[in-house]
Amino acid sequence: QKEVEQNSGPLSVPEGAIASLNCTYSDRVSQSFFWYRQYSGKSPELIMSIYSNGDKEDGRFTAQLNKASQYVSLLIRDSQPSDSATYLCAVKTYNTDKLIFGTGTRLQVFP
Amino acid sequence: GAVVSQHPSWVICKSGTSVKIECRSLDFQATTMFWYRQFPKQSLMLMATSNEGSKATYEQGVEKDKFLINHASLTLSTLTVTSAHPEDSSFYICTVGSGVRIEQYFGPGTRLTVT
Repeated sequence: QKEVEQNSGPLSVPEGAIASLNCTYSDRVSQSFFWYRQYSGKSPELIMSIYSNGDKEDGRFTAQLNKASQYVSLLIRDSQPSDSATYLCAVKTYNTDKLIFGTGTRLQVFP
Repeated sequence: GAVVSQHPSWVICKSGTSVKIECRSLDFQATTMFWYRQFPKQSLMLMATSNEGSKATYEQGVEKDKFLINHASLTLSTLTVTSAHPEDSSFYICTVGSGVRIEQYFGPGTRLTVT
């Protein structure tokens, strides 16, 4: 079993819809969770971090964390074509600085 | 977030030569930097953890004698690809971060092409 799993997609949503991206992780002692956005040919950009159970909202983005079920999700409201990118889920376990990345989900927002 | 720069942004070199890539933390004293490699349409692969003032820690399968890492100061880490071969052609990216909860910020990356 991979440590961090994501559906590779592509996930296609119409402009204005809610895009829902999911990520599961295997290490129960994981403490910090991150979502990165990566445009083609560019390096990843941090868009959300979440550390405790529940929801965290930042503009059109909402990160959701459920440690009991070991999943973290990212919701993008009012999706725009400019949101089309690969979204990477990353997990940091206790007492380490290393991030474990999922393989990413490719999101396509069509007009 | 932290501002991270990399130099060069792209480089083309001939097979057998060595290439040095710099990663600078511009507004953050980075005791730890990380080096990743990403092949086209693949995910990020952590190569090594660079620790200021000490030897780098390499991930399994990464040749430490081929990928030399030097973290001489709190703002600069370098990755040298020695005796580069076409299969080393990839996107090399560094990140800066320290502590258990602090986020990691990526540099813009260096695209290496070995001919």
